[in-house]
Amino acid sequence: EAQVTQNPRYLITVTGKKLTVTCSQNMNHEYMSWYRQDPGLGLRQIYYSMNVEVTDKGDVPEGYKVSRKEKRNFPLILESPSPNQTSLYFCASGVNGNSPLHFGNGTRLTVT
Amino acid sequence: AQKITQTQPGMFVQEKEAVTLDCTYDTSDQSYGLFWYKQPSSGEMIFLIYQGSYDEQNATEGRYSLNFQKARKSANLVISASQLGDSAMYFCAMRDEDTGNQFYFGTGTSLTVIP
Repeated sequence: EAQVTQNPRYLITVTGKKLTVTCSQNMNHEYMSWYRQDPGLGLRQIYYSMNVEVTDKGDVPEGYKVSRKEKRNFPLILESPSPNQTSLYFCASGVNGNSPLHFGNGTRLTVT
Repeated sequence: AQKITQTQPGMFVQEKEAVTLDCTYDTSDQSYGLFWYKQPSSGEMIFLIYQGSYDEQNATEGRYSLNFQKARKSANLVISASQLGDSAMYFCAMRDEDTGNQFYFGTGTSLTVIP
């Protein structure tokens, strides 16, 4: 089944403790991206990647890192999480930048 | 400036009626893509419909159609014959080639279908 898989679905952590949210797609998509969803703000793009080893900042990249070493994986790294990074995070992929995005099921992160 | 504006935080529609969800966008690029996504209460994001900036015909997908008015920079979603399962958040989004294929989403419209 074609899908984007994010893990974990729920994560509660403390300020400053490094964490990684994994994202993997099995559709051989070139384009992958991360978003955060906050009430009243919609979805905001954090980082995106047009292909392996190519990553670009979205609208809200501060406090986040990504890497794209393989086509299928695009992990989101929070080196030192802060409470303002408490949010619902989505990973998405697409054939390319022009095609519709396929979304993962989301990761609800709480930083205390 | 907001790239995508959805001015209707909440909408109600009677079952079997049609409803239009508004979306305006801001870009100086000639090449861009417009998308609509549905987010039910379960949280997943579901792609509904796509319109390319060079497409002359309005996009349609089943009960969904996109009313694309390029000069007005609007891309309204029309849902015909509303069903109870259409109750959800709806997000308009734009892929902007000017900014290197960044995606921009609106703040969403919550649609409630009344039986």
